Amino acid sequence: GAVVSQHPSWVICKSGTSVKIECRSLDFQATTMFWYRQFPKQSLMLMATSNEGSKATYEQGVEKDKFLINHASLTLSTLTVTSAHPEDSSFYICSAPGAGGYTFGSGTRLTVV
Amino acid sequence: AQSVTQPDIHITVSEGASLELRCNYSYGATPYLFWYVQSPGQGLQLLLKYFSGDTLVQGIKGFEAEFKRSQSSFNLRKPSVHWSDAAEYFCAVVSNTDKLIFGTGTRLQVFP
Repeated sequence: GAVVSQHPSWVICKSGTSVKIECRSLDFQATTMFWYRQFPKQSLMLMATSNEGSKATYEQGVEKDKFLINHASLTLSTLTVTSAHPEDSSFYICSAPGAGGYTFGSGTRLTVV
Repeated sequence: AQSVTQPDIHITVSEGASLELRCNYSYGATPYLFWYVQSPGQGLQLLLKYFSGDTLVQGIKGFEAEFKRSQSSFNLRKPSVHWSDAAEYFCAVVSNTDKLIFGTGTRLQVFP
């Protein structure tokens, strides 16, 4: 079945640095990728939608300059958290829609110290 | 706007007991509905989905869900819970822009 590979699984970075999270569709072409954020013991909140070859669309309240999304190919979408701060610490997860539903990556636990 | 409500934040059951997790949705047309399970620190696993057809949907791990249009509900059930079912459960609906909208989740605890 469809698989989305997400890396890294976890990352610790210092405040002020940037972190890139990658999601790759392994056996299908993902023209769209959804990016979610999940705080501990909370639900998944949609941050943005990336579309191959065009600008990402961001949900209300999400800073597009802080969370840079790139979808340069049909198999790769990236989320870069720029100038990370401790409040950006969270679980980030991507998802690609397909014929049978939605395929999720395994998530990235980001801790900013 | 489309939305999903999971009224129960936390449910505790004894192993072997039956389980029902509630989900109510708000959507004008026929919804596409999903149930996912998430273990701590892990990603999401699809339990089952409803697109159309038979309103009683069978999923993995012995779970089932029933779509009831009249009640705008898609409750998840399992006749006999196992300790390994302890996790967070999310109901989700597809919006009219193909986005997956999640409920707030229900945390299931299972006592031996």
